[in-house]
Amino acid sequence: AQSVTQPDIHITVSEGASLELRCNYSYGATPYLFWYVQSPGQGLQLLLKYFSGDTLVQGIKGFEAEFKRSQSSFNLRKPSVHWSDAAEYFCAVGGSGNTGKLIFGQGTTLQVKP
Amino acid sequence: ETGVTQTPRHLVMGMTNKKSLKCEQHLGHNAMYWYKQSAKKPLELMFVYSLEERVENNSVPSRFSPECPNSSHLFLHLHTLQPEDSALYLCASSQELAGLSYEQYFGPGTRLTVT
Repeated sequence: AQSVTQPDIHITVSEGASLELRCNYSYGATPYLFWYVQSPGQGLQLLLKYFSGDTLVQGIKGFEAEFKRSQSSFNLRKPSVHWSDAAEYFCAVGGSGNTGKLIFGQGTTLQVKP
Repeated sequence: ETGVTQTPRHLVMGMTNKKSLKCEQHLGHNAMYWYKQSAKKPLELMFVYSLEERVENNSVPSRFSPECPNSSHLFLHLHTLQPEDSALYLCASSQELAGLSYEQYFGPGTRLTVT
């Protein structure tokens, strides 16, 4: 079955510290992978995506993610977190055979301590 | 207006009311989606439209009725809802339904409360 797991429901980091949010997926075909961010009361904003090619992808707001096929993972990283990064982060997987359907993880809530 | 807009942003309705949610995308996309976001649950895909044709109905109760009059507008008609239908309803659009151009762009959502 297709699924996305974000093992960490809540993460708290200090401002300026590095961040890694984990995402593991189960998908039968070549996956297309996405990270979205949702600020309170807002919709989802696309941070970055992986379709093919270089397994390290750069996104907006200084985020990057690395696709590791052997581990079925697509972890999101940022070297130095800012207070404005506090939000909920969603990993999603889809594919060429999946007719627009994205499977979302449950989300990770990021808190940033001053 | 740019991107994907949704109105109203907040809606409170009784179980016997009929209301509609509206979504408009200004991106020239061909596909549109309705999602339900409940607390502590993953986003649930409800409906998918491509070029105004419904291509997916994800086992959604009939009290939710979508309408896509053109590729820029999507509605969700609501009637005789239940309290458990209270959630954030998100609209999204994508250039294509599949392939390399189907990353989805989301609106801000409508916060629905059913009393």
